[in-house]
Amino acid sequence: DVQMTQSPSSLSASVGDRVTITCRASQTISTYLNWYQQKPGKAPKLLIYAASSLQSGVPSRFSGSGSGTDFTLTISSLQPEDFATYYCQQSYSIPPYTFGQGTKLEIK
Amino acid sequence: QVTLKESGPALVKPTQTLTLTCTFSGFSLSTGGMRVNWIRQPPGKALEWLARIDRDDDKFYSTSLKTRLTISKDTSKNQVVLTMTNMDPVDTATYYCARTHSNSWDEFDYWGQGTLVTVSS
Repeated sequence: DVQMTQSPSSLSASVGDRVTITCRASQTISTYLNWYQQKPGKAPKLLIYAASSLQSGVPSRFSGSGSGTDFTLTISSLQPEDFATYYCQQSYSIPPYTFGQGTKLEIK
Repeated sequence: QVTLKESGPALVKPTQTLTLTCTFSGFSLSTGGMRVNWIRQPPGKALEWLARIDRDDDKFYSTSLKTRLTISKDTSKNQVVLTMTNMDPVDTATYYCARTHSNSWDEFDYWGQGTLVTVSS
């Protein structure tokens, strides 16, 4: 199975900050990398698919980049509603799909 | 409007078999490329993909859980069923169903609200 490693596992930041979360795959996955946001007690929400494509309705302050094994999610200017846990997920080839361990973004 | 909703028991005993149903609307599993998946999340932990079923009845399972899982569909009822045998307290989790489709990147674009299953005697 492809292993996904996110860093950092937790992050403290302030409103207005620029934040970057990284995700590394244990083997090349092309651009089959998706990002999700999850708030407590809620289902995950798709933010970015295909490494850099913004899901409809997601604010443009969210962006994704990368290909192969290394990927990043960037939030250009943190808003109060962005404090949540973020997960990367690979969907390369035949399942099993795998998720990263999550990055908890907290208010500083 | 695409919606998915999970249903099943909130409490199961160790060694029992869990049966969960995902009932969806706004799309059909008879449409080319449509897929329904199950994902779980133990309290305070990360997401774990469990299984997927496709329009043509192809089925895929988690490597570590494949001996305990069975996924099936009833296209006429817009339902997908997941069974997990020999339940253990470590299987306590919120179980989600989610849609993917082969004409995109297999991203989970729509999710159910999740159902919490507790395994305890």
